[in-house]
Order: sequence, then C-alpha cells, then structure tokens
Amino acid sequence: SQKIEQNSEALNIQEGKTATLTCNYTNYSPAYLQWYRQDPGRGPVFLLLIRENEKEKRKERLKVTFDTTLKQSLFHITASQPADSATYLCALDRGNNNDMRFGAGTRLTVKP
Amino acid sequence: NAGVMQNPRHLVRRRGQEARLRCSPMKGHSHVYWYRQLPEEGLKFMVYLQKENIIDESGMPKERFSAEFPKEGPSILRIQQVVRGDSAAYFCASSAGGNSPLHFGNGTRLTVT
Repeated sequence: SQKIEQNSEALNIQEGKTATLTCNYTNYSPAYLQWYRQDPGRGPVFLLLIRENEKEKRKERLKVTFDTTLKQSLFHITASQPADSATYLCALDRGNNNDMRFGAGTRLTVKP
Repeated sequence: NAGVMQNPRHLVRRRGQEARLRCSPMKGHSHVYWYRQLPEEGLKFMVYLQKENIIDESGMPKERFSAEFPKEGPSILRIQQVVRGDSAAYFCASSAGGNSPLHFGNGTRLTVT
C-alpha cells in the first residue's frame, strides 16, 4: 500500500539552529513533491515544490532535497525563529494527475 | 483575488441530522479537494473533483457521504445522518491542475452532539 511517513510527530529546537524534517514514501512514483505549513486552526499553506529531476531547491531560509532512489525528501529551515513553529506537511501526487496525498506532519517548536 | 472560502466555519449538528459543507474555490481553479482532519492528526484524503466530475473518491465512505462540484456554484460535501465519529475539521482546497499547489480554506469544524 502507499505510505507517506514523516519522521516524528514533534521536533523541538533552539532558536538559530537548523531544523531538519524528513518525509519518506512507499509505493509512490512522484513526479514532484510539495511541502506545506499549517498553523493551529488554519488550513495548510504551500511552501515549496520540488520535481523529481531537481536534487535541491531553496527559498529564503528554506531548503528542500528530493532523493528518488532513497524515496525521501528532507526539509530544512536554517536560522530558525520562534515564528517558524508550526506543523509541516509533505504531499505527493498519487497518480500523476495532482491527486495529492499528505503525510501526518511534523510539529516543529522553536524555543527562544 | 479571494482565497478559498469555506462556510460555515463552525457547524453543530445532532446525531441523525444532515451536514452540508460549502467550498468556493479560488477564481480560475477547476480542481477541488476535500480532506478531513482530527485533532493532532494529519490530513486524510476524502475526494478529488474537477468541474462536474469526480476524479477520485477512494477516501470517502460510500454510505452517508457525497460530494459535488457543479458547473456553477460552490463544491458541496454532504454528510447524511451524522454520527459522533463524523466530528472533525473538514478542509477544502483548490488548484489549477497540473502540478500546481493546493490552496486551502480555513476549514469547517463539524461537531456532532
């Protein structure tokens, strides 16, 4: 069966450090992978998309890698701030038609 | 350009009643998704629709649940004869198709008493 697993339910780090979140998948052949941020009581907000032929993508303090051999994506937030505290979700296309499935998310807390 | 609008924001129903959740996609978006979320859990896929067509409903229970996205008007998720286990946050998202990102509404929180 298809699975999307995110490394841990919760991750606590100190302000200024780099947060690294993991997304592993099974029985998917995604052409791309997306990362979203969700704050309590709100809908998820799109952050980054990375395609299968892209090894790495950056946007300001965010960096995403995509390894189709390992079937894994890593999501990094450098110089983390308390405002980065949220739940981060990865999402994959189930059937190459934008039929998107989400992982359970990792709740990140950045402590001042 | 207004985002995805969901209403109502909160909905309380008694067991056995019907719940109708509405979602207006972003302007120009023809793809709509419904997800369900329980507290401290991830988004569980329910149904994926494109104007007047259901693309994938594999996540939606076959009984009591239905969804539509008519040519005109919002997408509707309908839950008949609600039970306490239906209590959850229901999120709608829209996209322009292809590999474009999903834009989410802020959800409808359904409470069944």
